Order: sequence, then C-alpha cells, then structure tokens
Amino acid sequence: EAQVTQNPRYLITVTGKKLTVTCSQNMNHEYMSWYRQDPGLGLRQIYYSMNVEVTDKGDVPEGYKVSRKEKRNFPLILESPSPNQTSLYFCASSLSRGGGYGYTFGSGTRLTVV
Amino acid sequence: AQSVSQHNHHVILSEAASLELGCNYSYGGTVNLFWYVQYPGQHLQLLLKYFSGDPLVKGIKGFEAEFIKSKFSFNLRKPSVQWSDTAEYFCAVIPTGGSYIPTFGRGTSLIVHP
Repeated sequence: EAQVTQNPRYLITVTGKKLTVTCSQNMNHEYMSWYRQDPGLGLRQIYYSMNVEVTDKGDVPEGYKVSRKEKRNFPLILESPSPNQTSLYFCASSLSRGGGYGYTFGSGTRLTVV
Repeated sequence: AQSVSQHNHHVILSEAASLELGCNYSYGGTVNLFWYVQYPGQHLQLLLKYFSGDPLVKGIKGFEAEFIKSKFSFNLRKPSVQWSDTAEYFCAVIPTGGSYIPTFGRGTSLIVHP
C-alpha cells in the first residue's frame, strides 16, 4: 500500500531535549515536506526536499532541521524543543514540487513540549 | 508571497443541504489548486485538484470545484451533503513559477447534522 509513515504518533517531551520525528514513503516520490498544523492557522510548511541531499526552508523553519540522505526518508529534527513547538506535525510526499497528483500525507505526530 | 483565504471558518448544515465553501487566493502567476479534507483525528486527504484545462473539476465523494481565474477563486461545492462529510476542509495553492512553496488556507470546519 502506498503510504507515508510517521513515527511516533504522540510524543511528550521536555524543553531542550533533542528529538527526531521520522518520515518514510514507499512511492519513490522525489518531493517530501514537513508541515505543522495549529488551530486557526491551517498548515504551514517547515522544510521541503526536492531530492536526496536537496533541502530548503519553508515558511516556518526556525527551530527545526531536516536531512534527506535517502530518497524514502525525511526526518524532522528539533535540536532544542520549546513549548511554542507544541503542534501537530505532518509529513507529506508527492511526485513533484508542483503537487504532482497531490500530496500524500502521513498520519501525523502530535508533539507536546513542556 | 501568496495567500489563501477561506471565508467560512465554521459551517453547520443538515443532511441533504447543498454546500459551497469559498477559497480565494492572491498570487499573480500560474498556480496549482487543491482541496483537501481532514476527517476527525485523521490526516489530510486529497479531494480534488486543478492544474489546467476545464475549470470545473470533479473529485471524490461527489465534490466538485470551479476555478474562476478572474476572481482568483476556487470554490468547493457538493449538491447534497451527508453526515459523513463532517470534517475540516483546506484549500491549498502552489505557485508553479518560483518557490513552489504551498500555502494552505486556515480551514473550514463543516458539521453535518443527521
């Protein structure tokens, strides 16, 4: 089944403790991206990647890092999480950066930073 | 930078009523347009998309949308809603020249009463 897999689904952590949210897709998509969803703000793009070793900032990259060492994986790294990063995070992939046949989204990671 | 405006934040309908959700965007160039649906506790799923051609596009579950270039609008419609359409709906725009960074609207929460 074609899918984007994120882990973990839920995470509670403390301020300053480094964490990684994993994202993997099995569709051989070149384009992958991370979003955060906050009430009343919709989805905002954090980072995106157009291919292996090619990443770039989205609208809200501060406090986040990403890497794309393999085509299928695109982890999101919070080096020093803060409470304002408490949010619902989605990873997505698509055939192309223009949206291709639409984005395929992961199931989401609900992160709470205390 | 582009922006997307969804005028209706909350919509409450009875089953069999007709639905129209507004979406306007601001961007001077060519765009790809999308509507996504997010059922409670789930990830976003693609309802329909417009890249070019016939401005009236049909999607899944009986939804359709019309692109009116002169009005920068991409409104979502459904002639007769069902209780199972209760969800949050997001309009998204991807400019196809330049950044290709998608912009999502803030979402419209639809509640359908049986």
